[in-house]
Amino acid sequence: DAMVIQNPRYQVTQFGKPVTLSCSQTLNHNVMYWYQQKSSQAQKLLFHYYDKDFNNEADTPDNFQSRRPNTSFCFLDIRSPGLGDAAMYLCATRRTGAMNTEAFFGQGTRLTVV
Amino acid sequence: AQSVTQLDSQVPVFEEAPVELRCNYSSSVSVYLFWYVQYPNQGLQLLLKYLSGSTLVKGINGFEAEFNKSQTSFHLRKPSVHISDTAEYFCAVRDSGGYQKVTFGIGTKLQVIP
Repeated sequence: DAMVIQNPRYQVTQFGKPVTLSCSQTLNHNVMYWYQQKSSQAQKLLFHYYDKDFNNEADTPDNFQSRRPNTSFCFLDIRSPGLGDAAMYLCATRRTGAMNTEAFFGQGTRLTVV
Repeated sequence: AQSVTQLDSQVPVFEEAPVELRCNYSSSVSVYLFWYVQYPNQGLQLLLKYLSGSTLVKGINGFEAEFNKSQTSFHLRKPSVHISDTAEYFCAVRDSGGYQKVTFGIGTKLQVIP
């Protein structure tokens, strides 16, 4: 049973055309993360939400934005994708509290920019 | 700030041989440590985690890891690998305080050779 669901699994977009990636969770976790993963590189944290509090990493490009309308859903918006934005995008969730420390990941969305 | 170093980008090993994947971290505070596995075009799956207590941690699929505070290491081991263990393995760290960021290493590709 999938608990963190990312749609779509594969997304092809045109250079400069806005694209939205979605993530939903059935875990009722209060923290949600968006990571960018490129080949042979560590996952790069773009943003995270702690409940409704949005936290942007300092080096996340302005081109990337996020929305979390409710606990279950989180979106990654790329306003004007460039070729360098082609990557795997991973959504993860976590519930804060003494016994819950690991993040649960979705299967990712592989973004191709043409 | 915290960081994770995975010294080996690729590790080839024959089937049924033992393997060790190395991970070193740096942090100014106490941390939680994790190993994740990623199969092609999949999200990350938690293998094991160290929170506190016994420094030898056992995880799924026969993997184990040992936390060594003095050497700031958390190496992953398996006594006998299978073809199905071929995947990429990521070491990750999160500080045990309130900050939510999980920092990943660049990953180690384990290639099991028949």
